[in-house]
Amino acid sequence: AQSVAQPEDQVNVAEGNPLTVKCTYSVSGNPYLFWYVQYPNRGLQFLLKYITGDNLVKGSYGFEAEFNKSQTSFHLKKPSALVSDSALYFCAVRNSGAGSYQLTFGKGTKLSVIP
Amino acid sequence: NAGVTQTPKFQVLKTGQSMTLQCAQDMNHNSMYWYRQDPGMGLRLIYYSASEGTTDKGEVPNGYNVSRLNKREFSLRLESAAPSQTSVYFCASSDEGGGTYNSPLHFGNGTRLTVT
Repeated sequence: AQSVAQPEDQVNVAEGNPLTVKCTYSVSGNPYLFWYVQYPNRGLQFLLKYITGDNLVKGSYGFEAEFNKSQTSFHLKKPSALVSDSALYFCAVRNSGAGSYQLTFGKGTKLSVIP
Repeated sequence: NAGVTQTPKFQVLKTGQSMTLQCAQDMNHNSMYWYRQDPGMGLRLIYYSASEGTTDKGEVPNGYNVSRLNKREFSLRLESAAPSQTSVYFCASSDEGGGTYNSPLHFGNGTRLTVT
C-alpha cells in the first residue's frame, strides 16, 4: 500500500519570508510525486511533479520541490511567500509501475501567509 | 476553455434517495476519476475510468456506481444515499495512456452533497 504524510495541518508564514510545506511518502518501487493547491470552493490545481531526473523540480507561481529518495520526502518550497499563496496544499504519490493508476493524497496542509 | 465541468454544484438529499452526479471534460483526455473530499482525510478515489466502457474501483467504491458514457462524460450514481456520503465530490481527468500515469489531473470545481 502507498501513503502520504503531511505532518503539519497548518503552516503560518509572514509575507516575504520563505515557506516550506512538508511531505513524506511510502510506496513500493519508484514514485511519481505531485503537489496540488486548492483555493476555497474550487477544485485542486496542479503545481508541479517529480517523475525522474533532477531532484529539484520547479513549478507554477514560483513554487519548487525537492525530491529526497533517502528521506522519502518531497517538500514544497517558495523563496518569498505572498498573501495570495494562502490556500490548502496537497501532496500526492503514485507507484511508477505499469498500471498503477491509484493516486494517493495526503490530508492537506493549510498555508496562511500573514501580511 | 471549460476544462472539467461538474453538475450540480450543490445538492441536498434525504436518506435513501438517489441521484447522479454529472461530469464532462473537453480536453480529449482518456482517463477520468471520481474522488470524495472529507475534512482531515484528503481526497479518496471512488472510481477510475481509463477509457470509454472501462471502469475500476478505487479506495472507497461501496455505495456508488459509475458510467463512462463516452470519452467526454463520466457520471457517478448514488442509488440509496446515506449520511456517510455527505462530502464534496470531485471529478478529474488526465491525458494518460500506455500504462504510464505521470500526467497531472485536472479537477472540476466539485459537487457539495449533504445527505440528511
